[in-house]
Amino acid sequence: GAGVSQSPSNKVTEKGKDVELRCDPISGHTALYWYRQRLGQGLEFLIYFQGNSAPDKSGLPSDRFSAERTGESVSTLTIQRTQQEDSAVYLCASSLAGTRGGELFFGEGSRLTVL
Amino acid sequence: KNQVEQSPQSLIILEGKNCTLQCNYTVSPFSNLRWYKQDTGRGPVSLTIMTFSENTKSNGRYTATLDADTKQSSLHITASQLSDSASYICVVRGRGSTLGRLYFGRGTQLTVWP
Repeated sequence: GAGVSQSPSNKVTEKGKDVELRCDPISGHTALYWYRQRLGQGLEFLIYFQGNSAPDKSGLPSDRFSAERTGESVSTLTIQRTQQEDSAVYLCASSLAGTRGGELFFGEGSRLTVL
Repeated sequence: KNQVEQSPQSLIILEGKNCTLQCNYTVSPFSNLRWYKQDTGRGPVSLTIMTFSENTKSNGRYTATLDADTKQSSLHITASQLSDSASYICVVRGRGSTLGRLYFGRGTQLTVWP
């Protein structure tokens, strides 16, 4: 596709359930980021993938959060045993690392609501 | 500690007026600084990038400045329009082994009233 695609756009779940969020980056973009944005707050870094290098997981808030990326394509962010404080918009961005100063192209986000 | 601070947190202006948003950072070593615009319910979109050697850059009604010595940047919006209502986010990229290291400000929420 032309841009970064995220799904689902909205997800409502019950506390304790697992959720999986998907991100399709722009074709050819080697770098992929996940961010969390709580209502009225700034972007919070979660995880960064760059090619075949080991991902930078330093932003994951707990071991309930994990992310995978298949090569340089699709990524999934999994949240296990969701809690109400996980409610937020999860934004994915991709980038051509090392070129154009690394402009990030963001998806529209997945809005997660944990009841 | 590498940080990015933006001010003001929020701003309300009348349509047609100008405004200036501020970004101070402590990120070092510095690679570049970007201003992003985030419309409500959308992902951020890059407005402009500033590198170490650049002082001023314009993109239509948006003009960004950078003082690398004082580690300050500003985004000036001229003749504001209702569509300028958004959050403006300052993002600084550090230079070094971790290419993914980006530092985000909390954003300035701009509201333009008719």
